[in-house]
Amino acid sequence: GAGVSQSPSNKVTEKGKDVELRCDPISGHTALYWYRQSLGQGLEFLIYFQGNSAPDKSGLPSDRFSAERTGGSVSTLTIQRTQQEDSAVYLCASTVGNGRTDTQYFGPGTRLTVL
Amino acid sequence: AQKVTQAQTEISVVEKEDVTLDCVYETRDTTYYLFWYKQPPSGELVFLIRRNSFDEQNEISGRYSWNFQKSTSSFNFTITASQVVDSAVYFCALNTGGFKTIFGAGTRLFVKA
Repeated sequence: GAGVSQSPSNKVTEKGKDVELRCDPISGHTALYWYRQSLGQGLEFLIYFQGNSAPDKSGLPSDRFSAERTGGSVSTLTIQRTQQEDSAVYLCASTVGNGRTDTQYFGPGTRLTVL
Repeated sequence: AQKVTQAQTEISVVEKEDVTLDCVYETRDTTYYLFWYKQPPSGELVFLIRRNSFDEQNEISGRYSWNFQKSTSSFNFTITASQVVDSAVYFCALNTGGFKTIFGAGTRLFVKA
């Protein structure tokens, strides 16, 4: 389909392991967001990519979290030395323009469980 | 500071009832955008509506309607004649022109047959 895709859909890992979550935005969308949704909570902003500009990482909760976006398209969110509190659904969204007031199109999310 | 409050954590209704989901926002900006998203059990957020701060006209789309009132900083969402398929978590969100969209905590709606 033409929507935002994320992989894997589910990830179970052991505490201390590293994980990589992938997001494929809608083709042609220039802005990409990562959010975290903990159980029963709203969306917590993590990071924002816009074109070739430096990403805004102000929402990343710790230096164990990092993200990159290669070629202005696919993005990978990496969590190092996972902790149980990292368990959540990680959502990716993309927008056509610079994202400021555009409608965000969300992927299905990756459910991360840290044992 | 910018904030979105959805005071209703969960709402349960019987099919065909009308239901209103409340959203109250805070911002000092005069230009801003408000959104509603639906998150069904499948997990993927679906865009429902976007309104800008200069357009207070209420909007109706089928069984859905939105009441935007700047005087009370509210952007409430009403579902008329609810259906089981409306069961989802609904998020209200605010953007003031920066890249960050602030989401409310969401309201979980259960529609029972």
